[in-house]
Amino acid sequence: QSALTQPPSVSGSPGQSVTISCTGTSGDVGGYNYVSWYQQRPGKAPKFMIYDVNERPSGVPDRFSGSKSGNTASLTISGLQSEDEADYYCCSYAGTYSFVFGTGTTVTVL
Amino acid sequence: QVHLVESGGGVVQPGKSLRLSCAASGFNFNNYGMHWVRQAPGKGLEWVAIVSYEGSKTYYTNSVKGRFTISRDSENTVYLEMNNLRPDDTALYYCARARGIFWFEKLLSPDFWGQGTLVTVSP
Repeated sequence: QSALTQPPSVSGSPGQSVTISCTGTSGDVGGYNYVSWYQQRPGKAPKFMIYDVNERPSGVPDRFSGSKSGNTASLTISGLQSEDEADYYCCSYAGTYSFVFGTGTTVTVL
Repeated sequence: QVHLVESGGGVVQPGKSLRLSCAASGFNFNNYGMHWVRQAPGKGLEWVAIVSYEGSKTYYTNSVKGRFTISRDSENTVYLEMNNLRPDDTALYYCARARGIFWFEKLLSPDFWGQGTLVTVSP
């Protein structure tokens, strides 16, 4: 149950795109299409942004998209906005009804 | 709308026990699995445990197995009984709902979260 690996930080200018990677193993990310992503602003609870690799819950802007290749999942934020500045966490199903989160990535809008 | 309110956190000495509660409203509680997830100060999220919609199935992260117990009642509350607490259990504890009804792997990712309750384990 080791945490999934994410880059500590990514940054971009308004309007640009940024991509956050989330690397696991064949026992979690690579083995299941049940990767979700969460946005967490300072002092706030996580917000559900993506599920099942690339599905958006209602109300999440289509600027947010997800993908997966092998043991690595990715979250892309297109048309970066100042309100997107936050921490982002991936989460994968890891079998036998357990889950594992990523190490977290801070997105900075320059 | 979905509303989750955690309570029961506090300061406790190592080796002691604490019981957290999470009161749920705004959805049919009896149809959804429920998670506990924690976040140590300044650190990332860590999945802790899950209970099935009817309460018969429970699963835990390795570091809390044998010490923590997740349960639920019929009055829209999920619990986390924490025994033999250690300093590394210090964290903000969130409860979160599984995104889909009943008990299918595909539908268990956490969606709605509460605001958390802080547990501090210190001598």
